[in-house]
Amino acid sequence: AAGVIQSPRHLIKEKRETATLKCYPIPRHDTVYWYQQGPGQDPQFLISFYEKMQSDKGSIPDRFSAQQFSDYHSELNMSSLELGDSALYFCASSLGRGSWDTQYFGPGTRLTVL
Amino acid sequence: LAKTTQPVSMDSYEGQEVNITCSHNNIATNDYITWYQQFPSQGPRFIIQGYKTKVTNEVASLFIPADRKSSTLSLPRVSLSDTAVYYCLVGLGGGADGLTFGKGTHLIIQP
Repeated sequence: AAGVIQSPRHLIKEKRETATLKCYPIPRHDTVYWYQQGPGQDPQFLISFYEKMQSDKGSIPDRFSAQQFSDYHSELNMSSLELGDSALYFCASSLGRGSWDTQYFGPGTRLTVL
Repeated sequence: LAKTTQPVSMDSYEGQEVNITCSHNNIATNDYITWYQQFPSQGPRFIIQGYKTKVTNEVASLFIPADRKSSTLSLPRVSLSDTAVYYCLVGLGGGADGLTFGKGTHLIIQP
């Protein structure tokens, strides 16, 4: 079965640079969620989109922005990168405004900020 | 959202049954209890969800007492591959809401 696709899988950036992470949801899924997981930390919810509109907002820094496109893929844009932004970034998708048992996670993008 | 408390870590052996208890004293009437599993460097994966009494699927069982102030995830006959972090989440969910992960339980299975 098709899963959530994230690209790139690994990304290395310098401080103050920008980064763009991409997420391709499971086919027919129209809701996308972004999570950040720092080293040794628990996943933290950043933001979600349903039908291309922002739906829920978590602890997303002002330096980050995200959007969902007409084909339902989503991009997380990160500017003025800081060392503390080094983390695994997971994207999840669900069909409709799913409940907590229907979020399917991707493999993650490991971002390293030097 | 109801605050949850789980053991930080647990150890067990292959073939044993493992029970992980989660406390959620201020659970709301409409809240569900959901458990996720996460292997290192992988995204979390849904295991089981329940509202009251007992729920069982092919992976685990979830026991919820009548007062719903706690719940127990039961993993039968664990194997080395069950070594992971297990998260208990309590809330209504839905509405494209993000999952709120607290401090999970790091389960280590030994041979």
